[in-house]
Amino acid sequence: GQNIDQPTEMTATEGAIVQINCTYQTSGFNGLFWYQQHAGEAPTFLSYNVLDGLEEKGRFSSFLSRSKGYSYLLLKELQMKDSASYLCAVRDSNYQLIWGAGTKLIIKP
Amino acid sequence: SQTIHQWPATLVQPVGSPLSLECTVEGTSNPNLYWYRQAAGRGLQLLFYSVGIGQISSEVPQNLSASRPQDRQFILSSKKLLLSDSGFYLCAWSGIPGGNSGNTIYFGEGSWLTVV
Repeated sequence: GQNIDQPTEMTATEGAIVQINCTYQTSGFNGLFWYQQHAGEAPTFLSYNVLDGLEEKGRFSSFLSRSKGYSYLLLKELQMKDSASYLCAVRDSNYQLIWGAGTKLIIKP
Repeated sequence: SQTIHQWPATLVQPVGSPLSLECTVEGTSNPNLYWYRQAAGRGLQLLFYSVGIGQISSEVPQNLSASRPQDRQFILSSKKLLLSDSGFYLCAWSGIPGGNSGNTIYFGEGSWLTVV
């Protein structure tokens, strides 16, 4: 079957760096997505990786290794507003999105 | 730029009552459209997707149905709601597979449904 694994919850300190991991097993691969979802709100798009390597967007970076079925989202200079759930999703060979359950990130002062 | 809207934002419905959630997309044509449900503390569950007018694919057997009467309109319906239908419903759109956007999915604001 198809599967996306990510930690259920993580805690980090304001101003620090946190890395949220995502491993996947899917039927084919056509890209990996990261979304941010604040409590009670819809997910918003953060990043997209289709080739191996690191994609940087301001304080957020996303890394992909297709051979390892692995990605991470790196958040730098954490702010209280970064407290949210982070969803990893993979598009399979049929272009269907397979979603992880999300990682709840708690930022402490 | 493209925008997506869905309504109502919140609703409380009695068991056995009907449901209609509506979603519209602007600024693009022939989008792929999706309805997801997210139970409290759970991941996203794909309910329906559509690649064109009148073309609906159902992912999960349930008492819900979807319709796409116009290119940029997607409706989620039920004739008789169950308690288990409570949750956060999200409409979403994406472009053509393999396109420049990487087929990114963009979500509407979401609709909170409580069945009592």
